[in-house]
Amino acid sequence: KNQVEQSPQSLIILEGKNCTLQCNYTVSPFSNLRWYKQDTGRGPVSLTIMTFSENTKSNGRYTATLDADTKQSSLHITASQLSDSASYICVVTILTGGGNKLTFGTGTQLKVEL
Amino acid sequence: NAGVTQTPKFQVLKTGQSMTLQCAQDMNHNSMYWYRQDPGMGLRLIYYSASEGTTDKGEVPNGYNVSRLNKREFSLRLESAAPSQTSVYFCASSGGQGHTEAFFGQGTRLTVV
Repeated sequence: KNQVEQSPQSLIILEGKNCTLQCNYTVSPFSNLRWYKQDTGRGPVSLTIMTFSENTKSNGRYTATLDADTKQSSLHITASQLSDSASYICVVTILTGGGNKLTFGTGTQLKVEL
Repeated sequence: NAGVTQTPKFQVLKTGQSMTLQCAQDMNHNSMYWYRQDPGMGLRLIYYSASEGTTDKGEVPNGYNVSRLNKREFSLRLESAAPSQTSVYFCASSGGQGHTEAFFGQGTRLTVV
């Protein structure tokens, strides 16, 4: 069972609409949680980072929330654009003696259509 | 700003052939990683190097070897390629403890026939 689970697996929305992506995790001890955006054929790029004590973080039209008690995070995209079409990956980091350990979710594939 | 550079971008191998994927970063990062990405699965860690001179196995190390040549470079070698190693491979780097943003290369799409 994946320690970082995302839903939905895929999503199609019309340009200008909002959407929310979900991430549930079980990894511990938790250090921080990041949302990455991965365009087709490219490497992932970090959008937001939240530590244990943060509840929300915004980056332009992207707003991430975190509930460390229930181990849930969400990524809300406002006024979607065609360029938002990508895979959005939730990544949880724990710190170990051997360095940072990143555990990746399988991603949500978002398609924004006209 | 080059960031993380991987070569090659595409490669087709025959079963049993060997090859090395190259990765270099110019951000003076301590930690470097190799991941593979397969359809329907999250990125899975093959090997990582927390600092120059050290390497450790990740989640799926079988069939691979790595070399941390210096602080900039971290290579991944397939000694005898198998069809199960068909995947997209990503190299990444991060600053190390407390600096957890990972910067990724563009990926190498490898097909083993």
